[in-house]
Amino acid sequence: EAQVTQNPRYLITVTGKKLTVTCSQNMNHEYMSWYRQDPGLGLRQIYYSMNVEVTDKGDVPEGYKVSRKEKRNFPLILESPSPNQTSLYFCASSLSGQENIQYFGAGTRLSVL
Amino acid sequence: AQKITQTQPGMFVQEKEAVTLDCTYDTSDPSYGLFWYKQPSSGEMIFLIYQGSYDQQNATEGRYSLNFQKARKSANLVISASQLGDSAMYFCAMREELDDYKLSFGAGTTVTVRA
Repeated sequence: EAQVTQNPRYLITVTGKKLTVTCSQNMNHEYMSWYRQDPGLGLRQIYYSMNVEVTDKGDVPEGYKVSRKEKRNFPLILESPSPNQTSLYFCASSLSGQENIQYFGAGTRLSVL
Repeated sequence: AQKITQTQPGMFVQEKEAVTLDCTYDTSDPSYGLFWYKQPSSGEMIFLIYQGSYDQQNATEGRYSLNFQKARKSANLVISASQLGDSAMYFCAMREELDDYKLSFGAGTTVTVRA
């Protein structure tokens, strides 16, 4: 089954404790992206990757890191989480091109205390 | 500047009636794609419908249709014959070639279908 898998689905952590949210897709998509969703703001792009070893900042990259060592995986790293990073996070993948649908993972709800 | 504007934070619709969700966009890129996603209370993002900037006809997918008015930069979603399961948040989004194919989202519209 074609899917984007992100883990964990729920995470409660404390300020400053490094964490990684994993994302994996099985559709051989070259384009992958991370978003955060906050009430009243819709989804905002954090980082994106157009292919292996190619990553770039989105609209809200501060406090986040990503890597793309393999085509299928695109982990999101919070080196020192802060309470303002409490949010719902989505990973998505697609083929490149403005006509292609982005497929989303189920989401990770993160709370930073 | 906001690329996608959804002016209706929330709407109520009677079951079996149609509802129109407004979306306006801003771009100088001649090549772009417009998307609508549904987010039910369970949280997942479900793709509904796509319209390309060069498409001559309005897109339709089952009960969903997209009213595309290019000159007005408008891409309204019409849901016909509403069902209780249509209660959800709906997001309009745009993907632009000149912006590295980033998907830019509006703030969303919450639809509640009443029995």
